Amino acid sequence: DIQMTQSPSSLSASVGDRVTITCRASQGISNYLAWFQQKPGKAPKSLIYAASSLQSGVPSKFSGSGSGTDFTLTISSLQPEDFATYYCQQYNSYPNTFGGGTKVEIK
Amino acid sequence: EVQLVESGGGLVQPGGSLRLSCAASGFTFSSYWMSWVRQAPGKGLEWVANIKQDGSEKYYVDSVKGRFTISRDNAKNSLYLQMNSLRAEDTAVYYCVHSLNYWGQGTLVTVSS
Repeated sequence: DIQMTQSPSSLSASVGDRVTITCRASQGISNYLAWFQQKPGKAPKSLIYAASSLQSGVPSKFSGSGSGTDFTLTISSLQPEDFATYYCQQYNSYPNTFGGGTKVEIK
Repeated sequence: EVQLVESGGGLVQPGGSLRLSCAASGFTFSSYWMSWVRQAPGKGLEWVANIKQDGSEKYYVDSVKGRFTISRDNAKNSLYLQMNSLRAEDTAVYYCVHSLNYWGQGTLVTVSS
């Protein structure tokens, strides 16, 4: 099974900060990588698919990059509504696996 | 508008069974793979199962193989998850997911005596 390791597991940031979250796959997954945002008590929301493609309606302050084993999600200017937990998921092979999550908190 | 509405969750004793349903609308259900993803209380997301458009291919996470069965009825635009031999560690919110992009609101399954 492919293991997905996210770092950091949590971070504190201020409004306006640029934030980068990393996701590393235990083996190459090409660009079969998605990013999700989840707020407490809510279903996850898809942000990015195919490592760098923005889902329709997702603001351009979110961006994704990477291929193979190393991926990043960047939020260019953190806003109050962005405080949430973020997950990566590989869908290159079964079982599809999620990273452990990164909780973004207010500093 | 894409809508996915799960139902069928509840409290069940260890060793019991439960069948989850997901009613889909707003897209051509029969044209897409569908998934179940779960989230234990206070924990991260875990992919559970996928099913191909015509039901001919199914994939499961190891921890549910032999106990859970994913199925679909394209005539009814519905996805199902039959869960047998339930364990305490199956306690979670179960989400129906379409194309990674659309998620239902989830249904809570609690396995406890």
